[in-house]
Amino acid sequence: QVTLKESGPVLVKPTETLTLTCTVSGFSLSNGRMGIAWIRQPPGKALEWLAHIFSNDEKSYRTSLKSRLTVSKDTSKSQVVLTMTNMDAADTGTYFCARIPPLLWFGENVFDYWGQGTLVTVSS
Amino acid sequence: QSVLTQPPSASGTPGQRATISCSGSESNIGTQIVNWYQHFPGTAPKLLIYKTTQRPSGVPDRFSGSKSGTSASLAISGLRSEDEATYFCAVWDDGLNGWVFGGGTELTVL
Repeated sequence: QVTLKESGPVLVKPTETLTLTCTVSGFSLSNGRMGIAWIRQPPGKALEWLAHIFSNDEKSYRTSLKSRLTVSKDTSKSQVVLTMTNMDAADTGTYFCARIPPLLWFGENVFDYWGQGTLVTVSS
Repeated sequence: QSVLTQPPSASGTPGQRATISCSGSESNIGTQIVNWYQHFPGTAPKLLIYKTTQRPSGVPDRFSGSKSGTSASLAISGLRSEDEATYFCAVWDDGLNGWVFGGGTELTVL
């Protein structure tokens, strides 16, 4: 059974750094061209892709946030970590991680499993 | 303001057919495949349609997807009360070099 679970602080202060962890089970982060993406949803707004990382350590970041984001993985722990620096109230929202399966499974550019998300509030 | 435009709400009575639209541009829907998700509050979104028209194993054939130009649609036939959820589209965008999403459509089964 494939599961993804996001974890991290519920509340961060402005200017602080947010560290979120996506812990996966039911598959290995080293399998094929598997990837994990981070996506967020500000309250009342649409989802927004932030970054993703593949099993070969290839990474990609949203251009507007690239200077603030870092994504990494620890295959032995089945975890993918997202850090976002200099947090602001505008970063408040629910943060999701989602799996990008190998191309042969569902074609390209699709998320086949998501976590349930974790709400992060930025406030002093 | 989302890159992909969806109506905020849709409704239908049990047994009816509901259609949800997703409007984009050449850099996303116009040239890329469309994926649709079903989302119940507080839970993980579920893949409903991939490659614009394909259903993953276990998704009923009541759900179908289509695309024309820079717009895509999700159709749900034979509406059931358990279909009440938020549905959103997701597409790769060549300009952003990342994914873009619709704002989500909350479906009510009256």
